Amino acid sequence: DGGITQSPKYLFRKEGQNVTLSCEQNLNHDAMYWYRQDPGQGLRLIYYSQIVNDFQKGDIAEGYSVSREKKESFPLTVTSAQKNPTAFYLCASSMKGGQRQETQYFGPGTRLLVL
Amino acid sequence: GQQVMQIPQYQHVQEGEDFTTYCNSSTTLSNIQWYKQRPGGHPVFLIQLVKSGEVKKQKRLTFQFGEAKKNSSLHITATQTTDVGTYFCARSNFGNEKLTFGTGTRLTIIP
Repeated sequence: DGGITQSPKYLFRKEGQNVTLSCEQNLNHDAMYWYRQDPGQGLRLIYYSQIVNDFQKGDIAEGYSVSREKKESFPLTVTSAQKNPTAFYLCASSMKGGQRQETQYFGPGTRLLVL
Repeated sequence: GQQVMQIPQYQHVQEGEDFTTYCNSSTTLSNIQWYKQRPGGHPVFLIQLVKSGEVKKQKRLTFQFGEAKKNSSLHITATQTTDVGTYFCARSNFGNEKLTFGTGTRLTIIP
């Protein structure tokens, strides 16, 4: 099956710990994105990547880091610098990251809870 | 980033009634996309509108793009319980691959 997978579905973290959320896609998409969603809120862009080994900050990048070493993978690290990390994290991908806006396909999400 | 205002924030309708959500921008949009997120789920793409005044239909769903390309609407005719969820519009800027999502309209259906 083609698609986007995120793991784990639920993640618990102690304050002060870094944690890495996984996102893998086998759609051969060039662009990948990370969003954060808080209860009852819309989606806010954290980071995005148009091509391997390149990525850009979104609207709320502080306290997060990413890497894009492979086309299929775009892991997100939530660092201890992120003061309110409890949220629903969604990964998405699209066919192109160029001038024309392509449809974004979302993974099932990871719910992060800080204890 | 450039804001996308979406109204209403919540809508409760009796099953069988119609529902409309509106998306407004202060600047011209290159295109607008609509997504649906079921409770506990992830957003799923519904449609993209590109042309001024464009109207597209998907069964009971009608999507419109304003003549000035500054607003859009999603109308559902005769709602069903399967329509429950949050509907988001999303804009991109000219030559920019980022999407900016609206705050969403959460639809609940009263059986």
